[in-house]
Amino acid sequence: DSGVTQTPKHLITATGQRVTLRCSPRSGDLSVYWYQQSLDQGLQFLIQYYNGEERAKGNILERFSAQQFPDLHSELNLSSLELGDSALYFCASSVGEFYNSPLHFGNGTRLTVT
Amino acid sequence: EDKVVQSPLSLVVHEGDTVTLNCSYEVTNFRSLLWYKQEKKAPTFLFMLTSSGIEKKSGRLSSILDKKELFSILNITATQTGDSAVYLCAVEAGGAQKLVFGQGTRLTINP
Repeated sequence: DSGVTQTPKHLITATGQRVTLRCSPRSGDLSVYWYQQSLDQGLQFLIQYYNGEERAKGNILERFSAQQFPDLHSELNLSSLELGDSALYFCASSVGEFYNSPLHFGNGTRLTVT
Repeated sequence: EDKVVQSPLSLVVHEGDTVTLNCSYEVTNFRSLLWYKQEKKAPTFLFMLTSSGIEKKSGRLSSILDKKELFSILNITATQTGDSAVYLCAVEAGGAQKLVFGQGTRLTINP
């Protein structure tokens, strides 16, 4: 158990809808990262937050947004969902702002858009 | 564009065999290379490599980095069925401040 908690585990929704994925980092970790994993793309970095502030941005679509709250949990909001958004979404956390320490991943949220 | 390439993409061996997984990279301002093992769900951390030529070892697994030739290998000796997983290589690209993952190698160990 990595100590990173993601909810829900599974999510099935229709195209055009909006969903929110939630992540609680390991105790003491200040950085939260969001990754998307699909069969043909591998693990793609979306966004990183450190202590409540956006730190780095990857290939995150404009329809997607995220935030990190004062208690350090994070939410990833996906809107105007398309079939191609179906994927496994991972949250990871680490102690520092940079990659000095390894990332610890949650078990992911499997999103299916129908 | 930052790129991490793993080979082979898939490998099937018998229990007891030794395997070598490869990871090559082209990134801006390399900082570190990491190996992860992904079974059914979350990738779990194996090794972090920052210096060339220094082998990291954990039980039957070992890894080494060559920063001149821009690659790393992950060795698993005396493989067991529990080693079956996807092995992911990731490189920290300092220029983009992100971790770039390779496609992974799917390793299957048959009894």
